[in-house]
Amino acid sequence: DAKTTQPTSMDCAEGRAANLPCNHSTISGNEYVYWYRQIHSQGPQYIIHGLKNNETNEMASLIITEDRKSSTLILPHATLRDTAVYYCIVRVAGYGGATNKLIFGTGTLLAVQP
Amino acid sequence: GAVVSQHPSRVICKSGTSVKIECRSLDFQATTMFWYRQFPKQSLMLMATSNEGSKATYEQGVEKDKFLINHASLTLSTLTVTSAHPEDSSFYICGAGRQNQPQHFGDGTRLSIL
Repeated sequence: DAKTTQPTSMDCAEGRAANLPCNHSTISGNEYVYWYRQIHSQGPQYIIHGLKNNETNEMASLIITEDRKSSTLILPHATLRDTAVYYCIVRVAGYGGATNKLIFGTGTLLAVQP
Repeated sequence: GAVVSQHPSRVICKSGTSVKIECRSLDFQATTMFWYRQFPKQSLMLMATSNEGSKATYEQGVEKDKFLINHASLTLSTLTVTSAHPEDSSFYICGAGRQNQPQHFGDGTRLSIL
């Protein structure tokens, strides 16, 4: 699976949009971009994923560049509860009944400030 | 949907004890389950992948006789840490996945070996 590069940490003011970047310059054509977050002392929480089109759900938006070498996760109105480590992971979607493993990097610690 | 339950959430035991951790997918059938370990201030490290009814695949450096994994059904996987020692103290997290769906995680088990 392709590697990803994320900033170690970021700050965001409460109520403002949080934009978390991720570089995945070696991504393959069949690899998806997944975002998870981990709030302290909990298991990771799935946020969103996409292949090449931009995606939006109730939690966030995912913007993938046209060349797919980078992406940005957007939390439109950050709250204090969004303080967490955010992981960007690329992997092939599972086929044949098996779900491929996720390899976690170091992620970005997002600190939402009051 | 996609709820993964992990039990116990915390366990403290003496050195030499074997500890079993359960992971259940509550509202879906997980064809594959994953076990991770996370040390303080570090990222999640994949230990093993298991498919229902077959032997687990362990990552390099993970002792299969030390960390016994059983995936007896599509909703239950167990991790047994045999003859645990203080260096096995960690945060253990399970993930559950199904074909072409994002992996979802339990809330983790904090294991402390005295």
